[in-house]
Amino acid sequence: EPEVTQTPSHQVTQMGQEVILRCVPISNHLYFYWYRQILGQKVEFLVSFYNNEISEKSEIFDDQFSVERPDGSNFTLKIRSTKLEDSAMYFCASTSGNGGTSQYFGPGTRLTVL
Amino acid sequence: GESVGLHLPTLSVQEGDNSIINCAYSNSASDYFIWYKQESGKGPQFIIDIRSNMDKRQGQRVTVLLNKTVKHLSLQIAATQPGDSAVYFCAEYGQNFVFGPGTRLSVLP
Repeated sequence: EPEVTQTPSHQVTQMGQEVILRCVPISNHLYFYWYRQILGQKVEFLVSFYNNEISEKSEIFDDQFSVERPDGSNFTLKIRSTKLEDSAMYFCASTSGNGGTSQYFGPGTRLTVL
Repeated sequence: GESVGLHLPTLSVQEGDNSIINCAYSNSASDYFIWYKQESGKGPQFIIDIRSNMDKRQGQRVTVLLNKTVKHLSLQIAATQPGDSAVYFCAEYGQNFVFGPGTRLSVLP
């Protein structure tokens, strides 16, 4: 069964450093998403991406964040200058259609900012 | 309302019993809803979805009920098994997906 994959599974970084989280969505999906889940809290929407551009973004997704689909398979989330409060699980998800279709999540990347 | 922090509501059920997990959603314009299962250290796993033009949908051992009048969603799991132990949360879609805080289901032997 096709699945969303994410690398690395765990990223440790120093405050102020840049990190890039990588995702490979399901191959025939067209809509891509990044979510964040701080330990013990609910999943929070960051950004949605379609047709090589951002569709929607939340208040969390400020200028420190950017997304990119550098080739036909990868979807990346970059945090330019990490802060302690960026420590969380970051999930990538993809869907075949917009909104009202089932959304499949990757296993997540645990980001720890020291 | 929202629940923020480390303490999730917990539902404990005996193995073999039915489980009912509830979710209150916030946006009356939401037209699509999903239930997810999240095991420790893993990403959310799609269980079942329902559109706002329906009030009930059944899957394998799971049923989702939607009451738009009171903005309430429930997930029923029949014959609960130890492997069902996880955090379950709902997501609503209006303009974007918004997730509920979740309920921890513990299945007792």
